This record gives sequence, structure tokens and C-alpha cells, in this order.
Amino acid sequence: DADVTQTPRNRITKTGKRIMLECSQTKGHDRMYWYRQDPGLGLRLIYYSFDVKDINKGEISDGYSVSRQAQAKFSLSLESAIPNQTALYFCATSDPDRATTMGYTFGSGTRLTVV
Amino acid sequence: GQQLNQSPQSMFIQEGEDVSMNCTSSSIFNTWLWYKQDPGEGPVLLIALYKAGELTSNGRLTAQFGITRKDSFLNISASIPSDVGIYFCAGHTGNQFYFGTGTSLTVIP
Repeated sequence: DADVTQTPRNRITKTGKRIMLECSQTKGHDRMYWYRQDPGLGLRLIYYSFDVKDINKGEISDGYSVSRQAQAKFSLSLESAIPNQTALYFCATSDPDRATTMGYTFGSGTRLTVV
Repeated sequence: GQQLNQSPQSMFIQEGEDVSMNCTSSSIFNTWLWYKQDPGEGPVLLIALYKAGELTSNGRLTAQFGITRKDSFLNISASIPSDVGIYFCAGHTGNQFYFGTGTSLTVIP
């Protein structure tokens, strides 16, 4: 099994629909992140969580919400999807004691299309 | 947020050629990382740099932590088809990493 698993891998949804992207990790790390990737813009941080009771907004949190259900699970929701939220979404995790040396472990991504 | 600019944005090269790309920022970072993203997958860590001026190699890859701590460079020697993908730099400051805009590499056999 992958260290970081994202579901679904691909999703097409209609404008205005609510959608949830799920992420689970087997690394046992406390820290989890959600990023959005757009061509030419790199990876931009949406939300991050340093433990189960901690939720922080990232650079582009508007239009998104998150839930940290357990140490291993961190889900991203779009309450009312809009076309400019079409992107590739990545979940990542890191070990707080080794984050600066080992970086983040990423999932394989969820490609979301909003029509 | 922090802005990390990578150049070039894309490269098309012949197999066997060497590749150079760089990442620049207006901010100082304490750690620089380089990631590679294969098509359809998430980024995977290639090289980590921890000190200004540091030069580190991983096989055909060599990366350097710029003296000013505001830039980093990645070189790939003797490129092969499996080098295709998007390469991201990441700089660490505060409690998180900031990612570059990416360099898309295509290797023509």
C-alpha cells in the first residue's frame, strides 16, 4: 500500500456541487497538508494540520474547508465547486522532527474537473 | 506567500544532453529541496541541501544551495528518457516549505 493514499484519483463534478477529497496516510506522521497544482503556478498550500486538533489556513483557502478526522486522515471539501477550482490536488504528510531534512511525502493526486 | 521562480518553465532536450535549471526567491531559506513529479504521480524527493554553498550529488543529479541562500540549482547529466517529468524546488522557512513553479522536462530519444 502507498504511504499516502488519495481518493478519488479522478473526479468530474458540476458547478455548485459539494465534493470531498480524501487522504489517508500510513506514515504515522502528525503533520498533513493539502496542495493545489496548476500549470505554471507550482504547488500552492490550501490548508495544513499539525495534529488532530490543529487546522491552519494556507495561501489559498477561500472556497475550501478541511477536516482532520484522525491522525491518519485529512479530507478536503469544496462546499460549492466552481470551474476555477479545476486542478490537480495533492495531499502530503511530514514528520515534524524530520520535516526540514526529509521534506514531505505526497500522495498520487486527485484530478478534479468542475464543469 | 513566498514566491519561488523556476527557470526555464519547460525544456525539450535530446537524450544524452545535460540539463540545468534554477530556482530563485526574494526570501532567504534554510533548506532547499528538489522534487521530481512523474506523469500521473505526486512529487518525490530527489535531493536535500542544508547549508549555503553546499553541493550535493545523487547519481546523475547535482544540486547546489546558493551562497545568498535565495537560490538553488539542479543539474542532470547525460539525460535519459525516464528523466521526463516536472521538477520542483522547495525552500523551507518558518514552519513550512514553499514550492517553485516547476520546470517541465521532455527528453527526446
